[in-house]
Amino acid sequence: AQSVTQLGSHVSVSEGALVLLRCNYSSSVPPYLFWYVQYPNQGLQLLLKYTSAATLVKGINGFEAEFKKSETSFHLTKPSAHMSDAAEYFCAVSDSNTGKLIFGQGTTLQVKP
Amino acid sequence: DGGITQSPKYLFRKEGQNVTLSCEQNLNHDAMYWYRQDPGQGLRLIYYSQIVNDFQKGDIAEGYSVSREKKESFPLTVTSAQKNPTAFYLCASRDRAGQPQHFGDGTRLSIL
Repeated sequence: AQSVTQLGSHVSVSEGALVLLRCNYSSSVPPYLFWYVQYPNQGLQLLLKYTSAATLVKGINGFEAEFKKSETSFHLTKPSAHMSDAAEYFCAVSDSNTGKLIFGQGTTLQVKP
Repeated sequence: DGGITQSPKYLFRKEGQNVTLSCEQNLNHDAMYWYRQDPGQGLRLIYYSQIVNDFQKGDIAEGYSVSREKKESFPLTVTSAQKNPTAFYLCASRDRAGQPQHFGDGTRLSIL
């Protein structure tokens, strides 16, 4: 069965610092992987997706993620945090047949001035 | 603009009452999904539908029901059998396999 683990339910960084949100997945087949962001009382917005075309994926708002098969990881990074990045972030793996998403528990990013 | 519309944004349920959450999409997507979000638990799949007039249970379907009579609509009914319905409910749709899901802005359901 597919699963996703996000390490760290809360991450706090200073404005301008590197953002690193960790995601490890389990899948018996090449996965489709996604990162979503959620602001309070809103739906999820797609940040980026991995669909096997390239291991380094660039997304919106300056975020990127690197797919590492040997480590079964898909960590999300941003070189310099902005106050507007404060939100909850979800990593998800998709079932290739049904499209069902299996989500990690989420990581809340706090950005300190 | 194409997108997913969920209504209402806030909903209150009395004991023993069924309530229906609306989800409409104009993206021409075949597949639609309902998720429940609770604090600290991420999102859990309630029901999904890959084609009109067909749907499948997700991980937490007990106490919920759905219908898919039209491609653009996938309403969720929270029945009185769902004893802990207070949560944030999110609807999503997807074009084809491997493509990301697009989400609505959610409905927050509370108990009166």
